[in-house]
Amino acid sequence: SQQGEEDPQALSIQEGENATMNCSYKTSINNLQWYRQNSGRGLVHLILIRSNEREKHSGRLRVTLDTSKKSSSLLITASRAADTASYFCATPLGDKLIFGTGTRLQVFP
Amino acid sequence: DSGVTQTPKHLITATGQRVTLRCSPRSGDLSVYWYQQSLDQGLQFLIQYYNGEERAKGNILERFSAQQFPDLHSELNLSSLELGDSALYFCASSVEAAVYNEQFFGPGTRLTVL
Repeated sequence: SQQGEEDPQALSIQEGENATMNCSYKTSINNLQWYRQNSGRGLVHLILIRSNEREKHSGRLRVTLDTSKKSSSLLITASRAADTASYFCATPLGDKLIFGTGTRLQVFP
Repeated sequence: DSGVTQTPKHLITATGQRVTLRCSPRSGDLSVYWYQQSLDQGLQFLIQYYNGEERAKGNILERFSAQQFPDLHSELNLSSLELGDSALYFCASSVEAAVYNEQFFGPGTRLTVL
């Protein structure tokens, strides 16, 4: 089974709305990363949050981490059509970085 | 542009054949990772090399092998190909060996096995 699982699997919103996606993981971690993948292309690193951080911002992105619930959320504010992509959380598990199942975000103009 | 290059972009071959995928990491990165992405399995970690040495192994089949050369580029060899090997293969690189660092992904090689 996956170390990280995103929820929802798919999300459709209008431009200007906020998009929130969640990630749950199973084991203790020292950090959690979020990546974006445009259709059929390579993943792009968005943000890394360490286990001793509760919230982190980068532009229109806000990431939270709740280690007690083993969960993280990614909020994209004022979404744009260009934000249409799949979003993955990734957590270290031993000597591997394990990617979640992803959330497919569709932003309609 | 991440600075990671992969060739070829597309590869179409037949079952039973052998192919080689190539990856050049970002300048200065010593770690190279290989991933397989398919619709049913998602993004799966295959193997990691650090400065020429194998460092971590994931769900890599025995029919698959990889190596990292002295100039730090890496090759993934896939042999006795099956239909189920059709997937996107990504290479990623990072400066250090530890997996909790940010990884930079290449554009991928789309492999189609007919």
